[in-house]
Amino acid sequence: EVQLVESGGRLVKPGGSLRLSCAASGFSMSYYGMNWVRQAPGKGLEWVSSISSRSTYIYYADSLRGRFTISRDNGRKSLFLQMNSLRAEDTAVYYCARGDDSNFLAYIDFWGQGTLVKVS
Amino acid sequence: QSVLTQPPSVSAAPGQKVTISCSGSGSNIGDNFVSWYQQLPGTAPKLLIYEDTKRGSGIPDRFSGSKSGSSATLGITGLQTGDEADYYCGSWDSSLNGGFFGGGTTLTVL
Repeated sequence: EVQLVESGGRLVKPGGSLRLSCAASGFSMSYYGMNWVRQAPGKGLEWVSSISSRSTYIYYADSLRGRFTISRDNGRKSLFLQMNSLRAEDTAVYYCARGDDSNFLAYIDFWGQGTLVKVS
Repeated sequence: QSVLTQPPSVSAAPGQKVTISCSGSGSNIGDNFVSWYQQLPGTAPKLLIYEDTKRGSGIPDRFSGSKSGSSATLGITGLQTGDEADYYCGSWDSSLNGGFFGGGTTLTVL
């Protein structure tokens, strides 16, 4: 059974840093692109970042570039999101999600349950 | 202004059909695949449609996807109360080099 379990979300002060982790199980991460998608309270989905299977291709939402860094460790079956210089508008549930390795939004077929980041 | 535009809400009676539109441009929908997601209250999104027209695993054929030019459409037939949810389209934008979701559409089954 495919499972994605996020961790690391918590209350943090503006300007602070946070590292989110996502533990993957039930599939080989080496064959999939991975994504972070966030959802602010009461708002819609916002794509944050995508990383290809071998970390060759990495993309970020324009509004986040320079503050967030995505990375992965296929051997440890883990996806990470380093978040720096956090702002109130970064408050959201952050989802780890599995997808296509090249056409990143062609599909996102498994999502974690999300981890809440609150910046206040 | 969102890169992908969806109507904020749609509604229909049980058993009826509804369509949800997703309007973009040549650099996103016109040039890349579209996917659709259903989000029930308090839960993570679920893949409904991928690569424009293909149904996700276990998704009934009441759900369908289509695309023409720079617009895509999600169709749902035989509406059930359990279909009440938020629906999102998603696509890559080749010019902006990033992923985008539509603003979401809330479906109400009256």
